[in-house]
Amino acid sequence: GENVEQHPSTLSVQEGDSAVIKCTYSDSASNYFPWYKQELGKRPQLIIDIRSNVGEKKDQRIAVTLNKTAKHFSLHITETQPEDSAVYFCAAVGDDMRFGAGTRLTVKP
Amino acid sequence: EPEVTQTPSHQVTQMGQEVILRCVPISNHLYFYWYRQILGQKVEFLVSFYNNEISEKSEIFDDQFSVERPDGSNFTLKIRSTKLEDSAMYFCASSQLANSYNEQFFGPGTRLTVL
Repeated sequence: GENVEQHPSTLSVQEGDSAVIKCTYSDSASNYFPWYKQELGKRPQLIIDIRSNVGEKKDQRIAVTLNKTAKHFSLHITETQPEDSAVYFCAAVGDDMRFGAGTRLTVKP
Repeated sequence: EPEVTQTPSHQVTQMGQEVILRCVPISNHLYFYWYRQILGQKVEFLVSFYNNEISEKSEIFDDQFSVERPDGSNFTLKIRSTKLEDSAMYFCASSQLANSYNEQFFGPGTRLTVL
């Protein structure tokens, strides 16, 4: 089955800096890669997704890149703000959805 | 905006008891899912359900678990003979179409505590 690895597990940045989270996946049949933000005690919320026929997608301060050959995809957050602090999960979707282990992002004011 | 709802928000049970977690997916969605998140860990896929049958299930989803769509709106997860390690947040999700290329919308979760 699919195996998703996510790095780093924790990330601390100063407000205004960029944050990058990286994930790799194993199943070449996976073709949809959502990113979720989860605040403490709350449900995962989709923030951006990318499909396997697209290499990069951007939505304001958030961008995601996908390299199908290397089977890795990344989340980029620019101009980080304290409210970006949360746990971020990547996921790879083929027959089912498998999540990465999560990255706890802390943005210091 | 329509949302996935789940009840109860918190369920406490004794080890060995059976629990039923309930979900109401978004009304025009056809695919339903259950996920588990042990405190501080990642979200884990349990099962997907379509057209009144299981589509996919993970290695976690053994004979202790079952799912059902008893009527046109509810989607339930039954856990028999609960164990301490079943304590987790259980999320239901639904999507309009199949897994691929389609956003899954998560419910707020049910926190299950097994004592």
